[in-house]
Amino acid sequence: QQPVQSPQAVILREGEDAVINCSSSKALYSVHWYRQKHGEAPVFLMILLKGGEQKGHDKISASFNEKKQQSSLYLTASQLSYSGTYFCGTRTGGATNKLIFGTGTLLAVQP
Amino acid sequence: GAGVSQSPRYKVAKRGQDVALRCDPISGHVSLFWYQQALGQGPEFLTYFQNEAQLDKSGLPSDRFFAERPEGSVSTLKIQRTQQEDSAVYLCASSLGGNQETQYFGPGTRLLVL
Repeated sequence: QQPVQSPQAVILREGEDAVINCSSSKALYSVHWYRQKHGEAPVFLMILLKGGEQKGHDKISASFNEKKQQSSLYLTASQLSYSGTYFCGTRTGGATNKLIFGTGTLLAVQP
Repeated sequence: GAGVSQSPRYKVAKRGQDVALRCDPISGHVSLFWYQQALGQGPEFLTYFQNEAQLDKSGLPSDRFFAERPEGSVSTLKIQRTQQEDSAVYLCASSLGGNQETQYFGPGTRLLVL
């Protein structure tokens, strides 16, 4: 079953913050976050491994709570370039490294 | 270095035609994945290779879909007797393999079946 992301869509002004959540019904081995602009390939943002880690670079960070099977992506002081659709990709372990992608969150940053 | 490349970028096929989509992964990447992305949806897993071995093909929607990676580098996804519901963007991704899980995506092939 596909992970559920919330919110489905969010509109921000430049400089505002946003949080995108990803929730799975299955135990997770790792969570991968991607941003996809219209007509382009998904671009890798970061990967979080089980262990409750939190990572970040620039003004984008993320956390992973393996007990709750949830991950959150934090965008601070948003820029126009942050606009796009954000997907979490989840790996549940096993022999394959396939990712099951979430429902997606459309983020629009306005001037 | 070069990223994942895919060709063609766009393909229009008449229903019933066969199509072949090519993926060139990042040099040295052991793992290769194919995903299908419908409009407005997230990518959905089709199949996975480790070197030339196809380890998981659980996501292939029917026996009309076939993928190969004979020499462990370039991969081809073939769709036989295309149907309108096959219209989608087909994404290829590669990763180093082992503990290096990060998947890097190519630009995709946009397939339209008329």
